[in-house]
Amino acid sequence: AQSVTQPDIHITVSEGASLELRCNYSYGATPYLFWYVQSPGQGLQLLLKYFSGDTLVQGIKGFEAEFKRSQSSFNLRKPSVHWSDAAEYFCAASTGGGNKLTFGTGTQLKVEL
Amino acid sequence: KAGVTQTPRYLIKTRGQQVTLSCSPISGHRSVSWYQQTPGQGLQFLFEYFSETQRNKGNFPGRFSGRQFSNSRSEMNVSTLELGDSALYLCASSFADVNTEAFFGQGTRLTVV
Repeated sequence: AQSVTQPDIHITVSEGASLELRCNYSYGATPYLFWYVQSPGQGLQLLLKYFSGDTLVQGIKGFEAEFKRSQSSFNLRKPSVHWSDAAEYFCAASTGGGNKLTFGTGTQLKVEL
Repeated sequence: KAGVTQTPRYLIKTRGQQVTLSCSPISGHRSVSWYQQTPGQGLQFLFEYFSETQRNKGNFPGRFSGRQFSNSRSEMNVSTLELGDSALYLCASSFADVNTEAFFGQGTRLTVV
């Protein structure tokens, strides 16, 4: 079955430190990949997407993600975290046939000042 | 350009009742998808509509239904509400019928008592 895995449920980093959130997918073919962020009680905001081409993609708010086919991974990174980055982050994937997204379980990011 | 609008934002219903949630997509978007978010099950795909046709359906009972109108606005209906239907219901819109990024609304928080 198609699935997306986010191994880390909670991550705590200090403000100014670097961040990497992990995401692995299990699909027959390479899916389209996305990272979303959700603040409490809010909807999901798209950070970045990977469809094809360059394996390092840039997103909003200083985030980037690297697609590694050999590892079936799409990890999210940020060089220097700000307190306002505290939120829940979701990795998602979709394949042909519409916009049906499969989400990971999310990673809750806490930023220590 | 207005984003995805979901109404109402909050709802409290009694077990056994039915409820209708509304979603207005971004202007020009023709695909609307619905998701249920709960602490236990995470984000789960309900269904997707494109040009008034349901194209994908998730693994939910028949009590969950939806439709899309000619102006791309969508509604979802849940009949015979159960306590377990309490969740944040998110709507997402996309421009095309192939894999493009989805933009989410703020969600409707449904509480069943």
